[in-house]
Amino acid sequence: EAGVAQSPRYKIIEKRQSVAFWCNPISGHATLYWYQQILGQGPKLLIQFQNNGVVDDSQLPKDRFSAERLKGVDSTLKIQPAKLEDSAVYLCASSSARAREQFFGPGTRLTVL
Amino acid sequence: AQSVTQPDIHITVSEGASLELRCNYSYGATPYLFWYVQSPGQGLQLLLKYFSGDTLVQGIKGFEAEFKRSQSSFNLRKPSVHWSDAAEYFCAVGTSNFGNEKLTFGTGTRLTIIP
Repeated sequence: EAGVAQSPRYKIIEKRQSVAFWCNPISGHATLYWYQQILGQGPKLLIQFQNNGVVDDSQLPKDRFSAERLKGVDSTLKIQPAKLEDSAVYLCASSSARAREQFFGPGTRLTVL
Repeated sequence: AQSVTQPDIHITVSEGASLELRCNYSYGATPYLFWYVQSPGQGLQLLLKYFSGDTLVQGIKGFEAEFKRSQSSFNLRKPSVHWSDAAEYFCAVGTSNFGNEKLTFGTGTRLTIIP
């Protein structure tokens, strides 16, 4: 069974630029999560999807971050415009009622200069 | 709201020695507890989880954890560490066990193994 795929693995941009991350969850997993992990901290949930609907986006900075999950499969997370404090690893995870755990992708490391 | 405290930022142990990583949680309802490991440049891998039943949980790679409700703790243990166990370890509390839980993570404990 293929794991959670993310791309790109690394991205370096300058502040005020825009960036997008892509995630492909494990096949059949209805729930998809985006986490932000700042250096030295644990992952923090940004947004949770159930199929293609948003379950929780209470910690998503909506003035600059957006996310979508079209057709309930792949998802993209966008930042526009980026700030220095957005430098972090962005992790995607997926889960299902049968699996009863979250499976994480390798993450995208974003550096904002 | 739930929270997790991992009081040890960094722990160093000798290869072959025993290990205990501490985790305390705060959650008003029945907690669903997890330990994840993160190697450099990798995503998180689940070591073990506690939903209910036996309070001593066995996981992968020889790890175990004990849930103590009276102490609000879920400490991770391993009787003999290997150099490959060097990594970052995260404790997390979840709001359900139906596969759509919201996880709150601690700040992590970095484990260094010395020969």
